[in-house]
Amino acid sequence: DQQVKQNSPSLSVQEGRISILNCDYTNSMFDYFLWYKKYPAEGPTFLISISSIKDKNEDGRFTVFLNKSAKHLSLHIVPSQPGDSAVYFCAANYLYGNKLVFGAGTILRVKS
Amino acid sequence: DVKVTQSSRYLVKRTGEKVFLECVQDMDHENMFWYRQDPGLGLRLIYFSYDVKMKEKGDIPEGYSVSREKKERFSLILESASTNQTSMYLCASYHTGRYGSSPLHFGNGTRLTVT
Repeated sequence: DQQVKQNSPSLSVQEGRISILNCDYTNSMFDYFLWYKKYPAEGPTFLISISSIKDKNEDGRFTVFLNKSAKHLSLHIVPSQPGDSAVYFCAANYLYGNKLVFGAGTILRVKS
Repeated sequence: DVKVTQSSRYLVKRTGEKVFLECVQDMDHENMFWYRQDPGLGLRLIYFSYDVKMKEKGDIPEGYSVSREKKERFSLILESASTNQTSMYLCASYHTGRYGSSPLHFGNGTRLTVT
């Protein structure tokens, strides 16, 4: 049973527009959420995170929104650039937990 | 910068072989992990270790074992490789604390093909 779900396997966006990647979770015990980005033939790299005590965290072009009541988070990339084309993984962690639970990933393609 | 190094980028092994995947990190991290990545399934945790000689099963440990004899090195062992273990294997580490303050650092992965 997937506790972290990324229901869109892929997303295609025009350069300069907004990319919105979505993630849903089922376990209300999750209290920390992270996004990782992965290029082919490389390991995932940490992008941005958010604690459950916040509903928004921003870092440059990347913003993560958390809606606890809906158990939903989203990653916004504005403006999207061709170099953003990658697989994006959503991940969640429990309070006092010691391992991340990952979603299946979303392939983002930014067209120039 | 944290460096997590996996010894092989690509491996091809035969069914029934014993396979060793090696991982070394250079930042004195206590915690090390082995994941496998498969299309549509994301990253699934196989085993992790929070100290030398300590190990814990992840979500899919069947068919695998691990070894952590030194703090910087974490090995994944496929006792008898099978075709359903063909996958991308990712090693990761982090310093003790919450993930938010010290996110996982991944190696570049080992693409294993079992024929």
